[in-house]
Amino acid sequence: DVKVTQSSRYLVKRTGEKVFLECVQDMDHENMFWYRQDPGLGLRLIYFSYDVKMKEKGDIPEGYSVSREKKERFSLILESASTNQTSMYLCASSFPREAKNIQYFGAGTRLSVL
Amino acid sequence: QKEVEQDPGPLSVPEGAIVSLNCTYSNSAFQYFMWYRQYSRKGPELLMYTYSSGNKEDGRFTAQVDKSSKYISLFIRDSQPSDSATYLCAMSLPSNTGKLIFGQGTTLQVKP
Repeated sequence: DVKVTQSSRYLVKRTGEKVFLECVQDMDHENMFWYRQDPGLGLRLIYFSYDVKMKEKGDIPEGYSVSREKKERFSLILESASTNQTSMYLCASSFPREAKNIQYFGAGTRLSVL
Repeated sequence: QKEVEQDPGPLSVPEGAIVSLNCTYSNSAFQYFMWYRQYSRKGPELLMYTYSSGNKEDGRFTAQVDKSSKYISLFIRDSQPSDSATYLCAMSLPSNTGKLIFGQGTTLQVKP
């Protein structure tokens, strides 16, 4: 079974803090993704990576950065957390040579910024 | 206009009912069509995927794709309270980025 593990289920941070969300997958997938999910807005893609040290902006990259130093690990960084970044964050991975592009998700990190 | 439209609901049905969940899309290049199920406070998990127009059945679940109408459906027969979740449709383009385009998700509640 594919396993995508997000380091924290719940996080509470203060405005202005630097926040790191970690994601690890164990299936040797090249592609990894970060989404945020908000009521009424669905899943929105923040960043994705198709290889080590490679990254591409998604639909809402402002206020976020990412790091992919190892194939299995993809980190999302909030440089200076703001209250409007309170959300559910989901990490996913997929195998690029599979045309159907099935993504496998972690359990999510619910972040509250106070 | 969004590429994929899905009514967010909520949809509430009695146990045993047949449920129909739907998505419409605008891009005729979409190649694979998926349904994900997301329980409360969990990540989405793949339920089913289809490639071409037609039906695909898996137990109580049937996925249907009508490419001519740009319309996909998920039917749940004999719905159970354990089916209560948010259902997201997702579609892929033929590319190597692996990106999926998701619908907003429909929240379903099956009442005992």
